[in-house]
This record gives sequence, C-alpha cells and structure tokens, in this order.
Amino acid sequence: AAGVIQSPRHLIKEKRETATLKCYPIPRHDTVYWYQQGPGQDPQFLISFYEKMQSDKGSIPDRFSAQQFSDYHSELNMSSLELGDSALYFCASSSYRDSRDEQYFGPGTRLTVT
Amino acid sequence: EDKVVQSPLSLVVHEGDTVTLNCSYEVTNFRSLLWYKQEKKAPTFLFMLTSSGIEKKSGRLSSILDKKELFSILNITATQTGDSAIYLCAVDVTQGGSEKLVFGKGTKLTVNP
Repeated sequence: AAGVIQSPRHLIKEKRETATLKCYPIPRHDTVYWYQQGPGQDPQFLISFYEKMQSDKGSIPDRFSAQQFSDYHSELNMSSLELGDSALYFCASSSYRDSRDEQYFGPGTRLTVT
Repeated sequence: EDKVVQSPLSLVVHEGDTVTLNCSYEVTNFRSLLWYKQEKKAPTFLFMLTSSGIEKKSGRLSSILDKKELFSILNITATQTGDSAIYLCAVDVTQGGSEKLVFGKGTKLTVNP
C-alpha cells in the first residue's frame, strides 16, 4: 500500500537560506500534519491542513509557512534558517472524511542548518 | 523495505485492566525503538529502547525490547480513561548516512470507565 512520501529525505542548508519541504499524503487522505522533532525531543506539532485550508496551527515560527495544494500534497517553506531549525521534519496524513483519527507518518526530512 | 507492524490495531478495555501492545519490525541498520502516545496531535515520547532485555518503566507503563526476535511490547497496568490514545511504535534506522523514523500504524486504545 502507498505510504506518505516526503522529499527531500536529507537537506543541508546554511544560515539565512530558505528551504522547501514536500509531503505527499496517502491517496484519498485529505488532511496533512507537519511535525518538527529536534534531537532527543518529542515531535512538536507545527501546522495542519484539511482540504487545502489550514485547520490548526501549533508552534510554527513566523519564518515558516505552509500550504496544501489541490492534489493534497503540502509544502513547508522555511526562510531565514537558523541553526536551531536543524531537526527531523515529518508529516503525517489522515482521512477526515472517513472519520479516521490515525495519522500515518512519512519517513521524515532531516534538515541540517550549518 | 523497512517495516514496523503494530498489533492490535484497536483495543477496547475497561478501567483497571492490563493491556499489552505489540510492535514487530524488519529493518536494516536498527538504531533504537521508540514508543509514542498520541492523543490529539503531536505524539508524546514514552520510551526509547536500544538494548534487549532491559525493561524501561514509567509509572504504570513499561516496555521491553527483544532484538533477537525483533519485537517490543508496551504494557500498561491498571488502565485509566486517560490512557485512551493511539500508541505509536517507531524504529530509528540509518540509511545512507541519515536517520529516519519508521513508524507503525499505531494501536488505538480505548479505556472505558
């Protein structure tokens, strides 16, 4: 069965650069969640989208923005990168229309800011 | 292909019951196995296991890893309604110099009063 796809898998950027992370949900899933997991930390919820609209917002810095497109894939845009942005970013998808709470996680994108 | 399988997918119990959640895995370059509790959004870290046979305990929760048989269990004793959540198992692996987390689909635990 198809899973959540994230790209790139590993990204190295310098301070003050920008980065764009992509997430492709499981087919027929309408909701996408973004998480940030720092080294040795719990994953922190950043933002979520349902049917291309932002549905919830967590601890996402103002330097970051995200959107969900008509094909339900989502992109997380990160600007003015800081060293503290180095983390594993993973997204998850779920199907609200099927009343499924379970979130299926992607493998994550490892962002390293130098 | 790396794979993490959790069972059961769903479990309904009464308060006071003891439950055992299972997680088996088939991965290359195993680093550690992690258990998470997910109630609404961000999964909350419970345990990280790296060595076989060493039980980790936190209150009514405990977990153990068997690296020979490639599985882990999460035990919850004297369950409470607040334990109702999805419990995620994830395996930390290395691939091409970078790490990735391979998650299972989770076990949805419902504890009824």
